[in-house]
Amino acid sequence: GAVVSQHPSWVICKSGTSVKIECRSLDFQATTMFWYRQFPKQSLMLMATSNEGSKATYEQGVEKDKFLINHASLTLSTLTVTSAHPEDSSFYICSALIMRNEQFFGPGTRLTVL
Amino acid sequence: AQSVTQLGSHVSVSEGALVLLRCNYSSSVPPYLFWYVQYPNQGLQLLLKYTSAATLVKGINGFEAEFKKSETSFHLTKPSAHMSDAAEYFCAVSGNTDKLIFGTGTRLQVFP
Repeated sequence: GAVVSQHPSWVICKSGTSVKIECRSLDFQATTMFWYRQFPKQSLMLMATSNEGSKATYEQGVEKDKFLINHASLTLSTLTVTSAHPEDSSFYICSALIMRNEQFFGPGTRLTVL
Repeated sequence: AQSVTQLGSHVSVSEGALVLLRCNYSSSVPPYLFWYVQYPNQGLQLLLKYTSAATLVKGINGFEAEFKKSETSFHLTKPSAHMSDAAEYFCAVSGNTDKLIFGTGTRLQVFP
């Protein structure tokens, strides 16, 4: 099946620094990718839809200046958490749209902000 | 608007027993429905999906789900639980867009 990778799998950073998370579709091209965050023991919340070659579409309540998304190629989308704070600590998961209404998910990135 | 309700945040069964995880949906358009499984610190794996074809959908690892429009339900079942089935299960819905709306999840525990 289709494979989506994320890098890094976990990251620890100091408060105020920026962190970049990569999401790659390894064996298919994805014009659309999604970014989710998941707090402990909670469900996934969609943050934004990333479209190759255009600006990302953010869900209500998600700060676009804090969570910068770039989808520069058909196989790579990046999420940058700028000026991270402890409340940004979470599990971030990306997915790639392989066909209508079918997403393949990455393994997730655990972000801990000290 | 669409939403998903998963009844029961925790379900415990004995190994070999029937697994039943409940999911009810709300959708203003014909829905696409999904069940995903998540193991600790991992992403989501698709178990099965309903896309308006057969109402009884068979998935991986012996799971299946039945779409019941009259009950707005899409419950997940497996005849005989295995220890390896212990995980978090999410029901999700989508409609005219490709966005997924997830339920709050059900943690399945399997006892020997």
